[in-house]
Amino acid sequence: DAKTTQPNSMESNEEEPVHLPCNHSTISGTDYIHWYRQLPSQGPEYVIHGLTSNVNNRMASLAIAEDRKSSTLILHRATLRDAAVYYCILRASGNQFYFGTGTSLTVIP
Amino acid sequence: GAVVSQHPSWVICKSGTSVKIECRSLDFQATTMFWYRQFPKQSLMLMATSNEGSKATYEQGVEKDKFLINHASLTLSTLTVTSAHPEDSSFYICSARRQGTAQPQHFGDGTRLSIL
Repeated sequence: DAKTTQPNSMESNEEEPVHLPCNHSTISGTDYIHWYRQLPSQGPEYVIHGLTSNVNNRMASLAIAEDRKSSTLILHRATLRDAAVYYCILRASGNQFYFGTGTSLTVIP
Repeated sequence: GAVVSQHPSWVICKSGTSVKIECRSLDFQATTMFWYRQFPKQSLMLMATSNEGSKATYEQGVEKDKFLINHASLTLSTLTVTSAHPEDSSFYICSARRQGTAQPQHFGDGTRLSIL
């Protein structure tokens, strides 16, 4: 199963943009790139996903490299509620998700 | 609002007890659901894929006789932890996705299981 690599932790100041990177060098042509975030004692929350083109929604933007071996989740203005563990996941052919270690985002007031 | 409901939210029981956790898709039918386990400070680990009307597919190292999965309808999957012991204490999470290639998965809020 294709794996992802993310920094263990990142910090951001409140109201500033945050760029969360993810490497997935073994991605296959049909793998969708998904981003989820998880607050303590809660299930993961869907953030955004894409295949090849950059994607925008009300929560975030997803920038996908041209070779698809990396992607970046962009939070345009970090708030305290954005503090969470962010997971970058490649969906397997059977639709399973294999979670990596994720990035713990701390937002500084 | 939530599209996947998990019940109970938490359960405390004695060692040797069997515990059933329910996962429901609220406004869509799910032929496939997924069960995960998460220990403190760790990531989610996929345990099994629950298939409606057929046997579940377990990940390597997960005991199928220990973690019984039943997916009897298109909106309900259950995970039963049989003869639970303290080492089974964990956060159990389910997920489901709508039909369609590009659909994301929706996760339940998890079940905190504590075995005394």
